[in-house]
Amino acid sequence: SQTIHQWPATLVQPVGSPLSLECTVEGTSNPNLYWYRQAAGRGLQLLFYSVGIGQISSEVPQNLSASRPQDRQFILSSKKLLLSDSGFYLCAWRFNTGELFFGEGSRLTVL
Amino acid sequence: DAKTTQPPSMDCAEGRAANLPCNHSTISGNEYVYWYRQIHSQGPQYIIHGLKNNETNEMASLIITEDRKSSTLILPHATLRDTAVYYCIVRVAGNQFYFGTGTSLTVIP
Repeated sequence: SQTIHQWPATLVQPVGSPLSLECTVEGTSNPNLYWYRQAAGRGLQLLFYSVGIGQISSEVPQNLSASRPQDRQFILSSKKLLLSDSGFYLCAWRFNTGELFFGEGSRLTVL
Repeated sequence: DAKTTQPPSMDCAEGRAANLPCNHSTISGNEYVYWYRQIHSQGPQYIIHGLKNNETNEMASLIITEDRKSSTLILPHATLRDTAVYYCIVRVAGNQFYFGTGTSLTVIP
C-alpha cells in the first residue's frame, strides 16, 4: 500500500534560521509530488510541484526552495526563515487516477 | 488562483443531508471537479471527483450540472465527524491543483 511520511511534525524556529522539511512516499514509483502551505485560518497555497527527480516547478516567488534528490523524496528548504513563513506545510502525491493524497503535515512556527 | 467559488460557511443538522455548492463557471471541457475536506490540523482528505456524470461513493455524491458550471457535494446523512472545511477544486490542465478557501461545514447536534 502507498504511504506518505512528513517530518518533523512540528517545529519552532527563530527568524533567520534555516529550514528543512522532508517528505517521502512508499509503495509507488515516479510519483508527482507537491508542497502546499496553509497559513492560519487560510486555504491551501500551492508552493512547488515535481514530476520527477530534479524537476521542480515553483508556483509562488518566495524565500523557499524545493528539491527532489530521489524519486520518492521531496524536500522543502529555506536559508533564512521569515515570520511570514509560519504555517502548516503539507506534502502530497498524485494517484494515477488524479486525486491527491496528503501527508499529516508539518507545523512551523517562526519566532 | 482558484477557479472555484464556494460559500464560506454552512450549518447542517445531524442526520440530515448536507448540500455543499460550488461554482466553476470557467471550467474547460476536459477539467475534472474534485472535492476534498480538511478536519482541523490534519491534511486534506480526498472525497470524490467527476467530469460530466453524477458520481457516488461510500462517502458522498457529486452532482454536476449539465453545463458543468456548478456542482454540489452531498453528504447524505451528516454526522458530527463531518464537521470540516470542504474544498471544491477544478484540476487545471497539467499538474497543478489549486485550492480556494473552501466551505466550513458545521454539523449541529
